[in-house]
Amino acid sequence: AQSVAQPEDQVNVAEGNPLTVKCTYSVSGNPYLFWYVQYPNRGLQFLLKYITGDNLVKGSYGFEAEFNKSQTSFHLKKPSALVSDSALYFCAVSLDNYGQNFVFGPGTRLSVLP
Amino acid sequence: GAGVSQTPSNKVTEKGKYVELRCDPISGHTALYWYRQSLGQGPEFLIYFQGTGAADDSGLPNDRFFAVRPEGSVSTLKIQRTERGDSAVYLCASSSGQGIDTQYFGPGTRLTVL
Repeated sequence: AQSVAQPEDQVNVAEGNPLTVKCTYSVSGNPYLFWYVQYPNRGLQFLLKYITGDNLVKGSYGFEAEFNKSQTSFHLKKPSALVSDSALYFCAVSLDNYGQNFVFGPGTRLSVLP
Repeated sequence: GAGVSQTPSNKVTEKGKYVELRCDPISGHTALYWYRQSLGQGPEFLIYFQGTGAADDSGLPNDRFFAVRPEGSVSTLKIQRTERGDSAVYLCASSSGQGIDTQYFGPGTRLTVL
């Protein structure tokens, strides 16, 4: 069975500094990996996904993520954090073409301090 | 007709009552998903529809939970004899159903069982 870990409950970073939100996964086949962001009282918004190809994936709002197969990781990064990036971030993994086996991590709360 | 919509946004009910939660997916999306998100946790898969049929209902916690999508568009999640432990945010998502497609989420329905 697949699983996703987000080892940090909370990440604090100063505005303008680079940010990293960590995600590791465990699957028995080829993983399809996603990052979503959740703002207070709102649904999840899609940021980016890795299906195949380049290990570095670029997404919305300046975010990117690097797929590392040997380390089974898919860390989310941004070169320069904004206060408005403060939110809850979820990593998810899917094994199949239709995504019905989306498994989400527990989430990481990112706080960007002015 | 932008994104996924869900009604009601909030539902408060008493233990033992019956509730229905509605999801209106993105127009043209054949795949529809229900998730449950408890406080401080990531979304948990409940059920997935491809068209009118439930392709995977393995995430439904017990037979008090049931979902339908009679015309392949709007879906209703039904919970009988609600319990306090059912309190959570119920999220709906839809996707094109083709290949490894992104799931787009609605804002959720916050269910509180008193």
